[in-house]
Order: sequence, then structure tokens, then C-alpha cells
Amino acid sequence: EPEVTQTPSHQVTQMGQEVILRCVPISNHLYFYWYRQILGQKVEFLVSFYNNEISEKSEIFDDQFSVERPDGSNFTLKIRSTKLEDSAMYFCATREGTGAGSPAFFGQGTRLTVV
Amino acid sequence: GDSVTQMEGPVTLSEEAFLTINCTYTATGYPSLFWYVQYPGEGLQLLLKATKADDKGSNKGFEATYRKETTSFHLEKGSVQVSDSAVYFCALSDLNDMRFGAGTRLTVKP
Repeated sequence: EPEVTQTPSHQVTQMGQEVILRCVPISNHLYFYWYRQILGQKVEFLVSFYNNEISEKSEIFDDQFSVERPDGSNFTLKIRSTKLEDSAMYFCATREGTGAGSPAFFGQGTRLTVV
Repeated sequence: GDSVTQMEGPVTLSEEAFLTINCTYTATGYPSLFWYVQYPGEGLQLLLKATKADDKGSNKGFEATYRKETTSFHLEKGSVQVSDSAVYFCALSDLNDMRFGAGTRLTVKP
């Protein structure tokens, strides 16, 4: 069964450093998302991406965050200058995009720890 | 904007008990509705979905019916098992976005 793959599974970084989280979407999917989850709690929407541009972003997704799909396969989330409060699980999700009924498929997540 | 409200947890049940997790939504259009499940240390997995009013989604003994008149999509299971212990998320989506409820932690005791 096709799956969404995220790397790394765990990243530890020092405050102020840049991190890049990577996601390989399911091959025929067109919509891509990043979510974060702090301490196993609420799943918070960060950003949605379609046709090589951001379609919507949340208040959390400030200037420190960026997304891109540089090579047509990997979908990346970059945090330019990490803060302690960025520590969370980050999930990539993708959808085929054939209407609202198209479910999102999630990767296993990247646990980001900022020290 | 569109949003989802779930009953607060945690919920603790004995094996073979009946489960209901309430979910209500607010939406301007006609979203699709989903339930996702998250087992410890894992990502979210699709459990079931419904794409229009009165649709019933079902999977692994779980059911939920899309009720437009009450804007609800409550999750039910007639007899829970220890293996059902997880966090359950209600979600709604339009074409572009998917929004999740806060999640309800279910613990099933033998």
C-alpha cells in the first residue's frame, strides 16, 4: 500500500538553528499539508500546498516557516531559527485531491526537539 | 472558519462496553467528514469517512453517520476491545483543507 514517508524520524537541534523536515508524498497525490502535534495533543494545521504554491496557512506558520517542493517529489518544511516552543511532532499529509471526500494520508511524523 | 468540536476525554471503558465519542462541526459549505485514529507513537490513520448528509461510514466495527440537521458525526462502536485504545480525531475537509478536532483519548481496560 502506498504510504507517505517522512525523514528524519527524530531531530534534535539547538535553539536558533535551521531545520528541514522532509516528506515523500504518495506519487499521484496533489495536495500536501504540514501539521504539528505537541505532546500528543491537538493536531494543528500549519500549511497546505497545491500546484507548487501555498494555498492556505495558519497563524502558526509565520515568517520562520517555509515550504517547498524543490525536485517535484520531496515536500519540505523549513524552520529558519528554531525556538523551544517549536518542539513537537510534525506530520506531513497528502491527498489525491479529487474532491472534499479525498482523505488525507499521514506519514509517521518527525519528532523535533529544540534544546 | 470551518471547525470541529469533539467531546473532551479521556474516556475509559471496560472491554465489550459501548462507545460513543461526540463530534460536531461548523462549516459554511458541504464538507466531508472523517474519523482518524492515532495509536501510541504513530501517525494518524483514516478510520472511516462520509462525504454527504445521511452517509454512514464504517470500519472495524466503528460507525459514524453524517447528520446535517444536527451538524454532527458521532463515532460509535458496540463492543470495544483493549486494542481500540488510542486517540480518536474527528476531521472535516473541503477541497483544499482538512481541520481536526482536539482528539479524544480512549482507554479500554480488560
